[in-house]
Amino acid sequence: KQEVTQIPAALSVPEGENLVLNCSFTDSAIYNLQWFRQDPGKGLTSLLLIQSSQREQTSGRLNASLDKSSGRSTLYIAASQPGDSATYLCAVRDSSYKLIFGSGTRLLVRP
Amino acid sequence: EAQVTQNPRYLITVTGKKLTVTCSQNMNHEYMSWYRQDPGLGLRQIYYSMNVEVTDKGDVPEGYKVSRKEKRNFPLILESPSPNQTSLYFCASSLSPRHDQPQHFGDGTRLSIL
Repeated sequence: KQEVTQIPAALSVPEGENLVLNCSFTDSAIYNLQWFRQDPGKGLTSLLLIQSSQREQTSGRLNASLDKSSGRSTLYIAASQPGDSATYLCAVRDSSYKLIFGSGTRLLVRP
Repeated sequence: EAQVTQNPRYLITVTGKKLTVTCSQNMNHEYMSWYRQDPGLGLRQIYYSMNVEVTDKGDVPEGYKVSRKEKRNFPLILESPSPNQTSLYFCASSLSPRHDQPQHFGDGTRLSIL
């Protein structure tokens, strides 16, 4: 059974720092991996989607990598800003097309 | 504007009183699904639908029903709600699970069952 783990559960950094959020999954037979952002009282916003054949995706200050063989993905946020404060979720779409989520990393960027 | 709309956003009700949470998307998406989000458990899929008149159970379907009579709507029905169904619910849609398209989420419905 696919399990998705995110470490750390919470992270607090000063503004301007570069940071890395980690996601690991137990079964490498995935279709794709998606990173989401969730703000309090809001739904999930898709940030980046990496297909199983890809190694990374970039959007602005965000870069997500995927190492399928080791079951890992990282989300790199450059030059963090207070507006980046949110919960970040990763999810893998498994071979049955089901989307399986991690529990998230709660990020606080201090001014 | 492309969006997934859920209603209501908040609801407090009592055990056993049937309720429906509506979900509507305007992107002509084939695939729709419902999730619940609970502290420490993350998001878990309740039901999903690959297309009109096609629905399947997710990981936690007990106590829920869904229907997909038209492409844009995917209501979640709690026939006899119980306190363990108190949760934050999200509806999501995507073009198709077979395409590498991101899922779009609604803003969520917070249900409290007393």
